[in-house]
Amino acid sequence: VQLVESGGGLVKAGGSLRLSCAASAFTFKDYYMSWIRQVPGKGLEWIAYISGSGKTTDYADSVKGRFAVSRDNAKNSLSLHLNSLRDEDTAIYYCARSSWEAWYFDLWGRGTLVTVSS
Amino acid sequence: SYVLTQPPSVSVAPGQTARITCGGHNIGINSVQWYQQHPGQAPLLVLYDNSDRPSGIPERFSGSNLDNTATLTISMVEVGDEAVYYCQVWHSNSDSRVFGGGTKLTVV
Repeated sequence: VQLVESGGGLVKAGGSLRLSCAASAFTFKDYYMSWIRQVPGKGLEWIAYISGSGKTTDYADSVKGRFAVSRDNAKNSLSLHLNSLRDEDTAIYYCARSSWEAWYFDLWGRGTLVTVSS
Repeated sequence: SYVLTQPPSVSVAPGQTARITCGGHNIGINSVQWYQQHPGQAPLLVLYDNSDRPSGIPERFSGSNLDNTATLTISMVEVGDEAVYYCQVWHSNSDSRVFGGGTKLTVV
């Protein structure tokens, strides 16, 4: 049972990036999934979730209107599209398997680092 | 927005009991989760719904949540328990998922 993120890297402020998360060894479509980020050496910040069907999403105010979460249940894959990136978006981005309505996170990937340079 | 307050650090000797608090307004009416994060690793859920342990988490980890304070208790602390611990709630009133600032547990 694991989650593996990819797609991180260095991007200029104002630019865009797409993160991916590959899930394995569990019934992906049955779970809400979330993205959570962490500035290196700092705390955790939940930023988005998507329901198992993909019909319901929600975002933290800090990324609403700039980031978009999606999923492909046929490919057991979760994505996060990051647009209009800012310096303060620099962080490690984790995907996490979530409980119903994402009130807790019971399986995390190892994360992928996004660095935004101005 | 809802704020969770944790002490920056807690120190305990091996074999003793560590208690890490998480303060929030009426946190007792919310479900509290606790995560353990070792350096360079992803967080690991150690308690959910205040006191339930996921599979594989030792019974040494327990929790309580009352009024304005939730507490993670680790009994018979081991060197391997040294990590940063984060509390988290889903604050239904604001529909926000909030983490505390984290507490570094040092085993000395």
